[in-house]
Amino acid sequence: GENVEQHPSTLSVQEGDSAVIKCTYSDSASNYFPWYKQELGKRPQLIIDIRSNVGEKKDQRIAVTLNKTAKHFSLHITETQPEDSAVYFCAASYTGGGNKLTFGTGTQLKVEL
Amino acid sequence: DAGVTQSPTHLIKTRGQQVTLRCSPKSGHDTVSWYQQALGQGPQFIFQYYEEEERQRGNFPDRFSGHQFPNYSSELNVNALLLGDSALYLCASSLGTDDLGRPQHFGDGTRLSIL
Repeated sequence: GENVEQHPSTLSVQEGDSAVIKCTYSDSASNYFPWYKQELGKRPQLIIDIRSNVGEKKDQRIAVTLNKTAKHFSLHITETQPEDSAVYFCAASYTGGGNKLTFGTGTQLKVEL
Repeated sequence: DAGVTQSPTHLIKTRGQQVTLRCSPKSGHDTVSWYQQALGQGPQFIFQYYEEEERQRGNFPDRFSGHQFPNYSSELNVNALLLGDSALYLCASSLGTDDLGRPQHFGDGTRLSIL
């Protein structure tokens, strides 16, 4: 089955700096890659997603890039703010999987003042 | 626009008991997926319901079962509870179940504690 690895497990940046979180997937049939933000005690919130026919997608300070050849995708957050502090999860679903999501292990992002 | 709602928010059970968790999908959504999230880990897929049938299933034993109703709401049932079943149970809804990649929106979850 699909396996998603996520790095780093923790990331600390200064306010205003950029943050990058990387994920790799195992199933070459994977075609949909969402990112979720989960604050302590709250629901995972979909922040951006990308499909396999697109190499990059941007939404204000957040961008996601996809390299299908290398089977990895990354989340980029620019001009980080304290409210960006949370756990971020990448996920993947594959053709034939009927939208079943396999999640990474999460990255604890801390934005320091 | 109502989002995904789950009930109850917290539940405490003892080993061997049975539990039922409930989920109402976001307005306009027809597909419900259930995930188990252990502390400090990512959500793990349990199963998915569409048109009142189980369409996909993860690596969970038969003790985990579910149901979807004509109004698209869903239940997750767990029998013979084990200590290891303690987790946050998340429901996610989406529209359709094809392979195009459908955004899934999560509820706040039910925190299940087994004593």
